[in-house]
Amino acid sequence: GIQVEQSPPDLILQEGANSTLRCNFSDSVNNLQWFHQNPWGQLINLFYIPSGTKQNGRLSATTVATERYSLLYISSSQTTDSGVYFCAVEISGNTGKLIFGQGTTLQVKP
Amino acid sequence: NAGVMQNPRHLVRRRGQEARLRCSPVKGHSHVYWYRQLPEEGLKFMVYLQKENIIDESGMPKERFSAEFPKEGPSILRIQQVVRGDSAAYFCASSPQGEDTQYFGPGTRLTVL
Repeated sequence: GIQVEQSPPDLILQEGANSTLRCNFSDSVNNLQWFHQNPWGQLINLFYIPSGTKQNGRLSATTVATERYSLLYISSSQTTDSGVYFCAVEISGNTGKLIFGQGTTLQVKP
Repeated sequence: NAGVMQNPRHLVRRRGQEARLRCSPVKGHSHVYWYRQLPEEGLKFMVYLQKENIIDESGMPKERFSAEFPKEGPSILRIQQVVRGDSAAYFCASSPQGEDTQYFGPGTRLTVL
């Protein structure tokens, strides 16, 4: 089956720093989403980005579908950015099932 | 404009009891998905339903687990004769017809004593 690998697995930042999270996937996809799971366990939709670039405030994401990777950029990080960031993909032609990566755990220190 | 609603948010059951988890999708969404997050793990797909139909149940354990999405009312994930290994967070997501983006609910955290 498709492999979804996220890196780094863990990241510690000082408040105000920038970071890049990566998601590699092993097959063609027709859906890619980034999520933030906050310390209370809630999953927050960040981006739906099967290809191209999107920006939302301090966050932006880029997916290069032909090279099978996506990047999530966090600029000027804040303590509220702490949590786990998941990338999830749906294989092309599949039935809607999202395959999640193992996540990147981010801790932003004040 | 309510998002995906799940209840209860926390559920405690003793081994052998039944657990019923409810999911109300975003109004107008006809596709519902259930995912499970075991402790310290990522999310795993369980089942994909449309109204009155199971589309893909490839992630459902073969025994004790069932799901439905009736014509009226919420989607239900039912776990019979729960065991400690069923303790997890269960997330429901929904999407509208013709759109791939899945919107997730807050989850139900099941603890089996």
